[in-house]
Amino acid sequence: NAGVTQTPKFQVLKTGQSMTLQCAQDMNHEYMSWYRQDPGMGLRLIHYSVGAGITDQGEVPNGYNVSRSTTEDFPLRLLSAAPSQTSVYFCASSSTGTRNGYTFGSGTRLTVV
Amino acid sequence: KNEVEQSPQNLTAQEGEFITINCSYSVGISALHWLQQHPGGGIVSLFMLSSGKKKHGRLIATINIQEKHSSLHITASHPRDSAVYICAVTLLPSYSGGGADGLTFGKGTHLIIQP
Repeated sequence: NAGVTQTPKFQVLKTGQSMTLQCAQDMNHEYMSWYRQDPGMGLRLIHYSVGAGITDQGEVPNGYNVSRSTTEDFPLRLLSAAPSQTSVYFCASSSTGTRNGYTFGSGTRLTVV
Repeated sequence: KNEVEQSPQNLTAQEGEFITINCSYSVGISALHWLQQHPGGGIVSLFMLSSGKKKHGRLIATINIQEKHSSLHITASHPRDSAVYICAVTLLPSYSGGGADGLTFGKGTHLIIQP
């Protein structure tokens, strides 16, 4: 089925470990973005990309890196995980950003101990 | 500073009732989105509005650009409508400080429809 695929669904990391959250879409959407969802805070934008080779920071980018080598993939990297990064992460895509609705992945629940 | 405010935060109603969830925003936007999130589940986009009114099944979304206000209505509510409803906006570039294409979210309305 067409959509946004996020892996893994669940992950436990130790403080200081690194990992990559994967996000792939098969709708040829130009725009992709990563959000984190925390209780009482709502969803917040981490990084976004308006096309292959172009990325930019959102509201809470510290501690995260992204790259966009292809239209389909937009991985989120945690270089040195911290307990403050315990959250649920969502990837989303859209065909033209503001002009169309967003398609969200099913989320990754990350716990850093 | 909260640019997107939703009310109520929590709402419990009986099956069949007409439901209204409100969203107010304080800055210029290019679009407003209503999203639905079931417990432990993913996020589904219900509507994207830049003006007027949209309807899909029992769901109706309206927006008043001058008043910076939007409402989501559910007619003939059903227990399967129980979810968190999230209002989000796409800020105009002059307000976004660089995140021009990202969404700014309200904190959500937790809706429970009892049978």
